[in-house]
Amino acid sequence: GENVEQHPSTLSVQEGDSAVIKCTYSDSASNYFPWYKQELGKRPQLIIDIRSNVGEKKDQRIAVTLNKTAKHFSLHITETQPEDSAVYFCAADGTSYDKVIFGPGTSLSVIP
Amino acid sequence: NAGVTQTPKFRVLKTGQSMTLLCAQDMNHEYMYWYRQDPGMGLRLIHYSVGEGTTAKGEVPDGYNVSRLKKQNFLLGLESAAPSQTSVYFCASTNVNEQFFGPGTRLTVL
Repeated sequence: GENVEQHPSTLSVQEGDSAVIKCTYSDSASNYFPWYKQELGKRPQLIIDIRSNVGEKKDQRIAVTLNKTAKHFSLHITETQPEDSAVYFCAADGTSYDKVIFGPGTSLSVIP
Repeated sequence: NAGVTQTPKFRVLKTGQSMTLLCAQDMNHEYMYWYRQDPGMGLRLIHYSVGEGTTAKGEVPDGYNVSRLKKQNFLLGLESAAPSQTSVYFCASTNVNEQFFGPGTRLTVL
């Protein structure tokens, strides 16, 4: 089955700097790669996703890139703000269209 | 719309006790999921359902059972709770792609 790894597990950046979180997946059949943000004590929420026929997708300060050959994808946050502090999870769907497998998460701290 | 709701929000059990967690969604979603979240391990899929009357095992199904008798509800049961089942449990639902999560249930097994 699909296995998703995520690095780093913790990340601290100064406000205004960029943050990059990287994920690798094992199943070359994966087609869908979402990213979720979970603030402390709250539920995860989708912030951006990408499909395998697209190499990059951007939404304001957030972007995701996908390298299918290397089986890795990354989340890029520019001009970080304190409200970006949260745990971020990547995921991949593997060969199953009806579920995703999550990575272990990255705890991002943005220092004012 | 309430979205995805979970009952209860908190629960403390003794080893060997049983309980049922209820997830309800009012978005007419076909797919529903139960996850457990433990520090450093992300969201691990316990069981899921692709429609009323159907269920399937996820990554960590042992010790849990589920039922989807109505489309809007997905129940997670613990027949004989163990300390290893201490966790935060999240329910989620979707029709396509984006999963909508419930607020979570914090379960402690002593």
